[in-house]
Amino acid sequence: DIQLTQSPSFLSASVGDRVTITCRASQGISSYLAWYQQKPGKAPKLLIYAASTLQSGVPSRFSGSGSGTEFNLTISSLQPEDFASYYCQQFNSYPLTFGGGSQVEIK
Amino acid sequence: EVQLLESGGGLVQTGGSLRLSCAASGFTFSNYVMGWVRQAPGKGLKWVSVISGGGSSAYYADSVKGRFTISRDKSKNTLYLQMNSLRPEDTAVYYCAKGLGPSGGVFDYWGQGTLVTVSS
Repeated sequence: DIQLTQSPSFLSASVGDRVTITCRASQGISSYLAWYQQKPGKAPKLLIYAASTLQSGVPSRFSGSGSGTEFNLTISSLQPEDFASYYCQQFNSYPLTFGGGSQVEIK
Repeated sequence: EVQLLESGGGLVQTGGSLRLSCAASGFTFSNYVMGWVRQAPGKGLKWVSVISGGGSSAYYADSVKGRFTISRDKSKNTLYLQMNSLRPEDTAVYYCAKGLGPSGGVFDYWGQGTLVTVSS
């Protein structure tokens, strides 16, 4: 199985900050990586797929990069509605796997 | 508008069974892969199972293989998850999710989730 390790697991930041979350895969997955946002009590929301393709309707302050084993999700200017948990997910092979999550909280 | 509405969750004893349903609308159901993802209380997301758009291929997490069965009914636009031999570690919110295409494992729409609680 492909393991995904996210860092940091917890991040405290201020509105307007640039934030980067990293996801490392235990083996190469090309660009078969997605990022989701989840707010408490809500379903996950797809932000980015194929490592860097922004899902329709997602603000352009979100961006994704990377390939192979290392990937980043960047929020260029953190907004109040961005405080949430973020998960990476690989779809290179089954079983599909998620990272452990990164919680972004208000400083 | 894409809508996914799960039902069938509840409280069940260890060893029991439940069938989850997910009623889909707003898209051509048979054109898209569908899946189930679960989240234990206070924990992260865990993939459970997916089924191809045509229903001919299905995949499962090792933790549920042989106990859970995913299926879909094109005539009812409904996805199912039959869960047998339930264990306390199956306790979670179960989300139904729509894939980006007829195959693959990226989910662009999710239901609101249904809670399954397995008591020991």
